[in-house]
Amino acid sequence: AQSVTQLGSHVSVSEGALVLLRCNYSSSVPPYLFWYVQYPNQGLQLLLKYTTGATLVKGINGFEAEFKKSETSFHLTKPSAHMSDAAEYFCAVSLGMEYGNKLVFGAGTILRVKS
Amino acid sequence: EPEVTQTPSHQVTQMGQEVILRCVPISNHLYFYWYRQILGQKVEFLVSFYNNEISEKSEIFDDQFSVERPDGSNFTLKIRSTKLEDSAMYFCASSRPPSGGTQYFGPGTRLTVL
Repeated sequence: AQSVTQLGSHVSVSEGALVLLRCNYSSSVPPYLFWYVQYPNQGLQLLLKYTTGATLVKGINGFEAEFKKSETSFHLTKPSAHMSDAAEYFCAVSLGMEYGNKLVFGAGTILRVKS
Repeated sequence: EPEVTQTPSHQVTQMGQEVILRCVPISNHLYFYWYRQILGQKVEFLVSFYNNEISEKSEIFDDQFSVERPDGSNFTLKIRSTKLEDSAMYFCASSRPPSGGTQYFGPGTRLTVL
């Protein structure tokens, strides 16, 4: 079975500061890893994903994440926070089609950006 | 840009009633999913559907739930006899193969069971 742990249910940063949202996973087989963002009253939008290959992946809106197998982590970063980044962020893991492609989500981290 | 659509956006029902939540996945996608998010909790997988059959389901997805692709474009989730604890936001998603394909989510249907 797979699981995802997001450290910190709430993270607060100043505008222009580094954003770091932490995600650790457990998986019995090599996972596919995702970060989704949810703005209030909206659905989930993909920020970025790791499937195979380069372990540093870049996504939309200046976000990136690095897959570290030895640490079972997939932390999300952005060098400079913008007010529009305020949202809830979900890390998710999938084991692929053999397991129905289901996504298992973490509990989410609400990002607050202070002016 | 193609998107997943869901209807209705809000559904209020009485306990014990049947509800059908509807989704139109992206047209060339082959995998379809339902997830739910109870207020203040994490997004939970319910079921995945491929090639006209369920490919994976969670323990939440008991006999009260069923899914169907009735006409080649819609994908529905039926709850036969709703309970108070079924109140949640229900998200439909779709993706293409292969493994690790991006799942595109709809805006959700908020179900309130009274």
